[in-house]
This record gives sequence, structure tokens and C-alpha cells, in this order.
Amino acid sequence: AQSVTQPDIHITVSEGASLELRCNYSYGATPYLFWYVQSPGQGLQLLLKYFSGDTLVQGIKGFEAEFKRSQSSFNLRKPSVHWSDAAEYFCVCYNQGGKLIFGQGTELSVKP
Amino acid sequence: KAGVTQTPRYLIKTRGQQVTLSCSPISGHRSVSWYQQTPGQGLQFLFEYFSETQRNKGNFPGRFSGRQFSNSRSEMNVSTLELGDSALYLCASSPGGGFPGEQYFGPGTRLTVT
Repeated sequence: AQSVTQPDIHITVSEGASLELRCNYSYGATPYLFWYVQSPGQGLQLLLKYFSGDTLVQGIKGFEAEFKRSQSSFNLRKPSVHWSDAAEYFCVCYNQGGKLIFGQGTELSVKP
Repeated sequence: KAGVTQTPRYLIKTRGQQVTLSCSPISGHRSVSWYQQTPGQGLQFLFEYFSETQRNKGNFPGRFSGRQFSNSRSEMNVSTLELGDSALYLCASSPGGGFPGEQYFGPGTRLTVT
């Protein structure tokens, strides 16, 4: 069955430091992948998406993600974290049954 | 364009009651999906409606049902509420067609069952 794994439940980084959130997927074919962010009490906002083509995708708010088929990974990165980036981040895979499969989420805390 | 709206934002119900949640998609979007978010189970897909027809369904009991109207607005109903139904219910819309593509989420309805 398809699955999405985010190994890190909680990460703390200092403001200004770089960030990498890990995501591994299990899917037989080329997956459609997304990263969403959820701020407290809010819905989810799409950060970026990968359908095909360039394996490095740029998103909003300075985020990027790299698709690595050999590692079944789609890690999210940001070179310099801002305090406003504190939120929960979800890696998501679209399956061809028409459903979004969500990872368990990674909660990001930012230290001043 | 206005975003996805959900009403009500907060709801408290008693076990055994039923509840109806409403979702208005972004104008022009024909697909509406519903998700349940709990601390223990995370985000789980409930169902998707497209052009008033249920197109996909998750693994939830029949107490969870939905419908979509001709203006693409959608409602979700949960009958015979259980304590475990306490959750944030998120609605998302997308243009529709053969591939949902990126989905735009509403702020959610926080349901508490006592």
C-alpha cells in the first residue's frame, strides 16, 4: 500500500539556520508529491508540488524540495529559517485512486 | 478570489447526536474533498465529490456521509456521534477534472463530542 513517512516528529532549529525536513514515500510509479504547511488553528497551505520534470522544485516562502527517485525521498529545505516558519509540515502523496496520502507531519519550532 | 470557507468553525455535540458541516469551495472549483485530522491518526481522507457525485471514498464507517450541490458547495454529515469523532474536519477544493491536482484547504471545523 502507498505510504508517506516523515521520520522526524518534531524539529527545533535556530532562527537563521538552515532547515531540512525528511520525507520518504512508498509508491510503485512516479508519484505526485506535495508539501503543505499548517499553522496553529489554520487549514493547510500548499508550499510546493512535484509532478514530473526537474527534480528540484521551488515553492513559496523560500522553500524548495528535491525529488530523489533512487531514495524514494522528497525532502523539504530552506536555507534560512524565520520565526514565522514555526508550524507543522506535511509531506503528501497523491495516489491514482484519487486520494491524498499524508505523512504524520513534522512540527517545526524556531529558537530565537 | 475568496478561499474555501467552512461553517461552523467550532461545534460541540453530545454522543449519539448527528452533525452537519458545510464547505463552500473556491469559485469555479468542482471537486471537494473532506479530511479528518486527529492527534492520533493524523490526516485521513474521508471522501471526494465531483459534480455532485462521490468520486472517491476513504475507510470510514457509513455514519460518515456527504453530498455536493449543483453550486459545488458540499456538506458532510456524521450520525450517531462517538467520542472518537472529535477532530478537526478539513474541506479542500480543487478545479477537478481527471486529476485533482493541488488542493486548497479551508480553515476547518473543530468538532468536540462530549
